[in-house]
Amino acid sequence: KNEVEQSPQNLTAQEGEFITINCSYSVGISALHWLQQHPGGGIVSLFMLSSGKKKHGRLIATINIQEKHSSLHITASHPRDSAVYICAVNGFGNEKLTFGTGTRLTIIP
Amino acid sequence: EADIYQTPRYLVIGTGKKITLECSQTMGHDKMYWYQQDPGMELHLIHYSYGVNSTEKGDLSSESTVSRIRTEHFPLTLESARPSHTSQYLCASSGTGTPYEQYFGPGTRLTVT
Repeated sequence: KNEVEQSPQNLTAQEGEFITINCSYSVGISALHWLQQHPGGGIVSLFMLSSGKKKHGRLIATINIQEKHSSLHITASHPRDSAVYICAVNGFGNEKLTFGTGTRLTIIP
Repeated sequence: EADIYQTPRYLVIGTGKKITLECSQTMGHDKMYWYQQDPGMELHLIHYSYGVNSTEKGDLSSESTVSRIRTEHFPLTLESARPSHTSQYLCASSGTGTPYEQYFGPGTRLTVT
């Protein structure tokens, strides 16, 4: 069992739909990251959080430390949101990241 | 926008050749990382460095080597490329201000024939 599990693995939705991607982890963490990887391969950091909730535009990330669970939400989804979304965590005092396997999101116009 | 660069972006090379993948960052970050990612799979850390003249192997065993002679430069070398080295290689860096936030380069997609 991986230390970081994501669900679903694949998600296809219509443009405009509300999207939720989930991440569960089994270790104590200092921080959790949501990353976006487009087909070209480059990775962009969307959020880094250790508690509560963060919002950037149409993206919202939440974390529940007690339940060891985080969610990434996308409101009013758009085809340009199509990408792989990756959850990653830092263990306590560990600057190295442990990655989930990613969620492939496809938004259909 | 993160200032971290990788060259080449794509490389197709024959078995047995020596290759060096370049990674440079202009943010003055102490920490740099190399990840390997096979298609559709998660990233795996293969090397990291916490400063000049400091390099460590990552969680995934790799036949590659790295060096860190300058803060901004963290090249990865394969002495003799093999088809099993075909993969995407991603470089990242992080600074002391926000030690857990990593900035990723665009990646090098390597194909060994």
